[in-house]
Amino acid sequence: DTGVSQDPRHKITKRGQNVTFRCDPISEHNRLYWYRQTLGQGPEFLTYFQNEAQLEKSRLLSDRFSAERPKGSFSTLEIQRTEQGDSAMYLCASGMGGSSYNEQFFGPGTRLTVL
Amino acid sequence: RKEVEQDPGPFNVPEGATVAFNCTYSNSASQSFFWYRQDCRKEPKLLMSVYSSGNEDGRFTAQLNRASQYISLLIRDSKLSDSATYLCVVNMKGRDDKIIFGKGTRLHILP
Repeated sequence: DTGVSQDPRHKITKRGQNVTFRCDPISEHNRLYWYRQTLGQGPEFLTYFQNEAQLEKSRLLSDRFSAERPKGSFSTLEIQRTEQGDSAMYLCASGMGGSSYNEQFFGPGTRLTVL
Repeated sequence: RKEVEQDPGPFNVPEGATVAFNCTYSNSASQSFFWYRQDCRKEPKLLMSVYSSGNEDGRFTAQLNRASQYISLLIRDSKLSDSATYLCVVNMKGRDDKIIFGKGTRLHILP
């Protein structure tokens, strides 16, 4: 257990519904990352925060996706109008920005299935 | 050329053998490098960072070759518990960090 928690661990939804995932990072970490992983692929970067500021967003993050980290602690990732192609594992990681080595520690992930 | 490339494997290796993986990266601005291990249907876990001078942690040795733009992972005296997917990660630091994962190399240790 790395100390990063994610909720829920599994989510099954129907196409067109909205879903929201939560990530609680390691408390002293100022950086929080979201990734998506599908079978047989490595994690694909979606976005990251330093404290409450969202510093980078991947082009994979369509306008149906939004992420927030309002108080610089936990973060939420919302997917609106879900599509079957959104089915994946959504991983959150945290780390300390500003260090020479940017090691990240992952949570257990939220597995999303869109029917 | 992909930003981070790994041989997907699988590597089927008898227990006790030594196995090595390579990972190549395309951007010479890459500044930090890592190996993660991922078990089936689990999250990636940091195995080791890769330092310029190379580093060792028990049975695991990581090397960086900036001139040829690759990193390597060597596992000696492999154990059944080493069976996993090994992910290469490259971090390009600039105004913002860009973190790229390889697709991973699958390793099966055979009894």
